Amino acid sequence: EPEVTQTPSHQVTQMGQEVILRCVPISNHLYFYWYRQILGQKVEFLVSFYNNEISEKSEIFDDQFSVERPDGSNFTLKIRSTKLEDSAMYFCASSEEYEQFFGPGTRLTVL
Amino acid sequence: TQLLEQSPQFLSIQEGENLTVYCNSSSVFSSLQWYRQEPGEGPVLLVTVVTGGEVKKLKRLTFQFGDARKDSSLHITAAQPGDTGLYLCAGYGSSNTGKLIFGQGTTLQVKP
Repeated sequence: EPEVTQTPSHQVTQMGQEVILRCVPISNHLYFYWYRQILGQKVEFLVSFYNNEISEKSEIFDDQFSVERPDGSNFTLKIRSTKLEDSAMYFCASSEEYEQFFGPGTRLTVL
Repeated sequence: TQLLEQSPQFLSIQEGENLTVYCNSSSVFSSLQWYRQEPGEGPVLLVTVVTGGEVKKLKRLTFQFGDARKDSSLHITAAQPGDTGLYLCAGYGSSNTGKLIFGQGTTLQVKP
């Protein structure tokens, strides 16, 4: 069964460093998303992406964040200068229509 | 702001008991999705309900979408220890850009 994959599973970084989280969505899906979940809190929407453009971004998704689909298979989330409060699980999701399928997540720890 | 409130937040029951989890909002949602999430993993889609009043069954799990499309419920019959986990409801925001709004989740523990 097709699934969304994410790498790395765990990323530890120093405050101020740049990180890139990678996702391979399900191959025939056209809509891509990033969400995050701070420990013990709700899953929060970050950004949606379609046709090589951002469709919507949340207040969390400020200038430090960017997304890219560099080729036909990968979808990346870049955080330019990480802060302590960026520590969270980051989930990529993709959809063909209205059902979103999530990857296993990347646990980002900012020290 | 569209919000989804789930109740109860925690539920601990014995194997074989029935339970219902509720997902409520003051806003109308075009559809609601139910996910299950294990610790340290991503949400896994269980079902999507789209039509007001719709009922969907997945083995011992029954999902209902309210007539007004503002609420949904998940009923589990004869719960088993394997049902233990975090259950999340999520609905699409009014912006129609794919933004899913999540409830805070219901943690279910089924004791053998």
